Amino acid sequence: EIVMTQSPATLSVSPGERATFSCRASQSVSSNLAWYQQKPGQAPRLLIYDASTRATGLPARFSGSGSGTEFTLTISSLQSEDFAVYYCQQYNNWPRTFGQGTKLEIK
Amino acid sequence: QVQLQHWGAGLLKPSETLSLTCAVSGGSFSDYYWSWIRQPPGKGLEWIGEINHSGSTNYNPSLKSRVTISVDTSKNHFSLKLSSVTAADTAVYYCARVPWLLSYDAFDIWGQGTMVTVSS
Repeated sequence: EIVMTQSPATLSVSPGERATFSCRASQSVSSNLAWYQQKPGQAPRLLIYDASTRATGLPARFSGSGSGTEFTLTISSLQSEDFAVYYCQQYNNWPRTFGQGTKLEIK
Repeated sequence: QVQLQHWGAGLLKPSETLSLTCAVSGGSFSDYYWSWIRQPPGKGLEWIGEINHSGSTNYNPSLKSRVTISVDTSKNHFSLKLSSVTAADTAVYYCARVPWLLSYDAFDIWGQGTMVTVSS
């Protein structure tokens, strides 16, 4: 199984600043990677798929990059509604696997 | 607008079988794979398995011996059964859609989640 490792575990950033999340795969997943946002008590929400394609309706301040084993999610200017937990997930191989998540908190 | 709504028993005793059903409304059923994903309290996400309208399945090997995912195309429903549950199976269970025909297998639409607790 492909192990997805996210860093850092917690990210403290001020509103208006940039947030950068990292995700590393234990072997290449090509560009078959998604990012999700999860707020307390809610289901995850798809943000990015194919490593860099924004889901329908997602603001342009969200961007994804990377391929192979190293991936990045960037939020260019944090809004209050962006503070949540973010997960990466690979869909190159079965079983589908998720990273352990990065919690984005207000600094 | 596509919606996934699921239901099932929320409290089980050890060794019982977990049973959940997810109903799909507002969109095509046959053009997608349909997945189950779970999340233990305070922890991350674990993919359980998936099925398409023809009944073709993929399962997580870590759960495969205890999991059955089935489909009822007449009702646009798909179901999860997990046998011999223990406290480690306590989690929020989600159903989710996989738009594989669009060439990406991420989970684009999710159900609301159902908390299942295993306790004696």
